Amino acid sequence: ETGVTQSPTHLIKTRGQQVTLRCSSQSGHNTVSWYQQALGQGPQFIFQYYREEENGRGNFPPRFSGLQFPNYSSELNVNALELDDSALYLCASSLEGSSSGANVLTFGAGSRLTVL
Amino acid sequence: GQNIDQPTEMTATEGAIVQINCTYQTSGFNGLFWYQQHAGEAPTFLSYNVLDGLEEKGRFSSFLSRSKGYSYLLLKELQMKDSASCLCAVRDSNYQLIWGAGTKLIIKP
Repeated sequence: ETGVTQSPTHLIKTRGQQVTLRCSSQSGHNTVSWYQQALGQGPQFIFQYYREEENGRGNFPPRFSGLQFPNYSSELNVNALELDDSALYLCASSLEGSSSGANVLTFGAGSRLTVL
Repeated sequence: GQNIDQPTEMTATEGAIVQINCTYQTSGFNGLFWYQQHAGEAPTFLSYNVLDGLEEKGRFSSFLSRSKGYSYLLLKELQMKDSASCLCAVRDSNYQLIWGAGTKLIIKP
């Protein structure tokens, strides 16, 4: 069973640029969610995708967008980058609709974005 | 607004016991999670509570009181590898996870 993999692990961008981060879900999982984690803070929910549709969104502007593909992998796109977008971006997969009720998230190691 | 409070940092001694508290105010409640995050790594699942009471899992236990909006994580027989951030998260009425800022746990020999 493979875990959640994210790419790239680190990247540096400048203000105004655009970035795409990628995530491969854990085998057997059908839901992907993305989180932004600033240094010393807990993760902040960006959005969640289930069956290729966005089915939940946190308090992030529209320049944060995403996609989920038929193989349940996902992308996070951020346009018009701002300095405050510098953070660790975590992808997590889970199996929604299971009988267990917990729907435990399995996280990837994250993509650390620095905006200069 | 929604709020999860937990101490910023705690220090404990190897072999001892430590209790990390979490209080929450959220719009609805559909379960509380504890995750552990080592520096530079992904959060990993520790425990889940949805009903009041204590859940025990080896060296880790987690307690929940929904009426008080309160949980704690209890770690026994502390090891140096337990040095990490412990994150409390609550799933709200929209089934979104609201996270605390994490408690940095420092284990000393």
